[in-house]
Amino acid sequence: DVKVTQSSRYLVKRTGEKVFLECVQDMDHENMFWYRQDPGLGLRLIYFSYDVKMKEKGDIPEGYSVSREKKERFSLILESASTNQTSMYLCASSFLSGNSYEQYFGPGTRLTVT
Amino acid sequence: SQKIEQNSEALNIQEGKTATLTCNYTNYSPAYLQWYRQDPGRGPVFLLLIRENEKEKRKERLKVTFDTTLKQSLFHITASQPADSATYLCALDGYSSASKIIFGSGTRLSIRP
Repeated sequence: DVKVTQSSRYLVKRTGEKVFLECVQDMDHENMFWYRQDPGLGLRLIYFSYDVKMKEKGDIPEGYSVSREKKERFSLILESASTNQTSMYLCASSFLSGNSYEQYFGPGTRLTVT
Repeated sequence: SQKIEQNSEALNIQEGKTATLTCNYTNYSPAYLQWYRQDPGRGPVFLLLIRENEKEKRKERLKVTFDTTLKQSLFHITASQPADSATYLCALDGYSSASKIIFGSGTRLSIRP
């Protein structure tokens, strides 16, 4: 089974802190993604990566950066956390199945910024 | 602009009945449509996908239809059970050359005994 793990299930940080969210997948998937999920807004894509050292902005990249130094690891960085970044953060990886990409998600990190 | 809508935020039905969830989209031409299940406090789990040239797909008690003329997918759970209670997300694939997909906001399904 594909396994996507995230470094923390729950995290509480203060405004202005630098926050690192780590994601690791064990199935050699090329693609990795970071989403945030908020009630009524669904899943919104922050950043994604096709390959090591490659990254692309998603729909809401402002206030975030990412790093992919190794294929299995994709990190999300909040340079200076703000209260409006309180959310559930989900990491996913995907592979090509036929001609479509199925996504495999981690358990999520619920981040609270106070 | 591109948009995905799932017809209701919440759906409550009696155990044993068929649950039908709707996913509509505009300004897309997806090659594939996917459905995911999400339980509270967990990440979504892939259920199945349907291609644009397929009308219907089945997997156990699940059935999905895809009408590219109406720009709509219907997701059915037959003989529903309380364990089917979850949020169900539809997602569109192929809207760009990238491998990213676009998710709807989900429908929370509750099956009462």
